[in-house]
Amino acid sequence: EPEVTQTPSHQVTQMGQEVILRCVPISNHLYFYWYRQILGQKVEFLVSFYNNEISEKSEIFDDQFSVERPDGSNFTLKIRSTKLEDSAMYFCASRWPAGGIQETQYFGPGTRLLVL
Amino acid sequence: RKEVEQDPGPFNVPEGATVAFNCTYSNSASQSFFWYRQDCRKEPKLLMSVYSSGNEDGRFTAQLNRASQYISLLIRDSKLSDSATYLCVVIGDSNYQLIWGAGTKLIIKP
Repeated sequence: EPEVTQTPSHQVTQMGQEVILRCVPISNHLYFYWYRQILGQKVEFLVSFYNNEISEKSEIFDDQFSVERPDGSNFTLKIRSTKLEDSAMYFCASRWPAGGIQETQYFGPGTRLLVL
Repeated sequence: RKEVEQDPGPFNVPEGATVAFNCTYSNSASQSFFWYRQDCRKEPKLLMSVYSSGNEDGRFTAQLNRASQYISLLIRDSKLSDSATYLCVVIGDSNYQLIWGAGTKLIIKP
């Protein structure tokens, strides 16, 4: 069964450093998402991406964040100048544009980011 | 008011029992609803979609009450492997953004 993959599984970085989280969505999917989950808290939407551009972003997704689909398979989340509060699990998700609003987003296993 | 609210639990339930969770949502225009399951430090996985007429999948039954803006999940004959956090998810009014509840933790005891 196809699956979303994410690398690295864990990332430790110093405050102020830049990190790039990588995702390989399911190959025929066209919509891509990043979510984050701070330990013990709920999952939060960051950004959605379609047709090589951001289609929607949350208040969390400020100028510190950027996304890119550099080639036909990877989808990246870059966090510039990381802060302590960026420590969280970051999930990538993708979906096929099914007809109607009922659809399933498939989640990757996540990257656990720890900012020291 | 939070967009999606759930009782955080934990619900401690003996194996074999029936357990029910409720979730309320604030946006009356929401059209799609889901229950996800999340094991500790793992990614959320879709458990089931919630349809207007209610739906059942094995031991799991989901129902939607639009008038009161809540959805429910019923688990019958609970198994030890059902122990997890159950996340109520609502699609917002734009671009298929998922709005997540904080989850209800379920612990099934032998």
